Amino acid sequence: DTGVSQNPRHKITKRGQNVTFRCDPISEHNRLYWYRQTLGQGPEFLTYFQNEAQLEKSRLLSDRFSAERPKGSFSTLEIQRTEQGDSAMYLCASSLEYAGGTSFGPGTRLTVL
Amino acid sequence: DAKTTQPTSMDCAEGRAANLPCNHSTISGNEYVYWYRQIHSQGPQYIIHGLKNNETNEMASLIITEDRKSSTLILPHATLRDTAVYYCIVMGQTGANNLFFGTGTRLTVIP
Repeated sequence: DTGVSQNPRHKITKRGQNVTFRCDPISEHNRLYWYRQTLGQGPEFLTYFQNEAQLEKSRLLSDRFSAERPKGSFSTLEIQRTEQGDSAMYLCASSLEYAGGTSFGPGTRLTVL
Repeated sequence: DAKTTQPTSMDCAEGRAANLPCNHSTISGNEYVYWYRQIHSQGPQYIIHGLKNNETNEMASLIITEDRKSSTLILPHATLRDTAVYYCIVMGQTGANNLFFGTGTRLTVIP
C-alpha cells in the first residue's frame, strides 16, 4: 500500500522566499487535491485536478500560489514570496472520480519565519 | 453542499462504544454523509460513507436517520488509538468532491 506521499514533510523558510512542495498520489487515482490546515482548524480546500486539468480553485488560493500536475501524475504546489500567514500544514489527497473515500497524504508542514 | 453540526468534544472509556453524532438538517436527496478522522499530526483518514442505508465496515458503523437529517458514527470498541478529531461531511457525489471539514468532534478515549 503505497498511499499518497508528500515531500518534504517539513519546510522552514524565511519570509519572501519561494517554496515548492511535491505530492505523489495513488497511481490509479485521477483526481488530486490540495488542502491547507492551520492549527485548531479543519483542512480547507485549495484546488483540485482531474488528470492534468486544474478544474477548481478556492478563493484561498491567492496569486502567489500555483499548482501544477503535468501528465496527470504527481503535482507541485509553489508559494512565491512567502508570508508568515502561509505557515500551515499543506495536505495533498487523491481519489477516483465518483468513488468513495479520498486518501490523504501525511502533509507538509510549512513554517515561515 | 449542506453544512453539518457536531459536538466540539467527547470522551469515551476504552473498550466501550463511541457514538459520535452529526446533524445535517439541510442535506439534499443526492448528498452523501462521509466521516473522516484525523489523528494528531497525520493527514485525515477516510472512515465510512452512506446515502440512506446504514453502513458498516471494518472500522465503524454509520447510522443515518430515516429523514436523513442526522447520523451517528459508531466505533464499537474504542481503543486509545481511536483518539482523534472526527469530521462529518455532507457532499454530493457528482461534480467536484472537495471536502468541507468544519471543526469536527475531538474524541478522547480514556484508559
